[in-house]
Amino acid sequence: GDSVTQMEGPVTLSEEAFLTINCTYTATGYPSLFWYVQYPGEGLQLLLKATKADDKGSNKGFEATYRKETTSFHLEKGSVQVSDSAVYFCALREATDSWGKLQFGAGTQVVVTP
Amino acid sequence: GAGVSQSPSNKVTEKGKDVELRCDPISGHTALYWYRQSLGQGLEFLIYFQGNSAPDKSGLPSDRFSAERTGGSVSTLTIQRTQQEDSAVYLCASSLGRARNTIYFGEGSWLTVV
Repeated sequence: GDSVTQMEGPVTLSEEAFLTINCTYTATGYPSLFWYVQYPGEGLQLLLKATKADDKGSNKGFEATYRKETTSFHLEKGSVQVSDSAVYFCALREATDSWGKLQFGAGTQVVVTP
Repeated sequence: GAGVSQSPSNKVTEKGKDVELRCDPISGHTALYWYRQSLGQGLEFLIYFQGNSAPDKSGLPSDRFSAERTGGSVSTLTIQRTQQEDSAVYLCASSLGRARNTIYFGEGSWLTVV
């Protein structure tokens, strides 16, 4: 079945550093891909998404590009802030699931220090 | 309401007791999802409802878990004879129900079984 694998955390980095969180997937067809973020004490929020190959999702300085050839959807941000400390989840929605339930990776905790 | 509302936000229960967790989706959303977030386990799909269709119960971990959705709106997740391994955050989410619609999550119900 379809699945999502993302790098384990925690990832600890200093403010203004470059962040990459790797995410790869296994799927038949062309799934939609998502990054969700969970800030401390809050619910999951959609950060960005891409619905077809070569699409780039972007939001709040974060970007991720849907790479069909490498089955990847890595999340990047050029200069992180302390407020970016959170758990980040990569997720996919199967192309054949018209009602759209999501399959999530295990999550990656990011800690940004001043 | 403005977002997905879940109650209770925290619940401590004794092993063997039954618990009910409630979810009030965003008004007008026809799709409703339940997920479980356990420490070290990531996000696990449990069940989802779409309009009047039969629910997808494929993620329920045992027959102690059940869920219903009344009137196409509020949903209740019931866990009977709780076990310590049921301790987790139970997340509810809703969407407009089509594959390209964003799924919005509530803040979750923290369940601790002692």
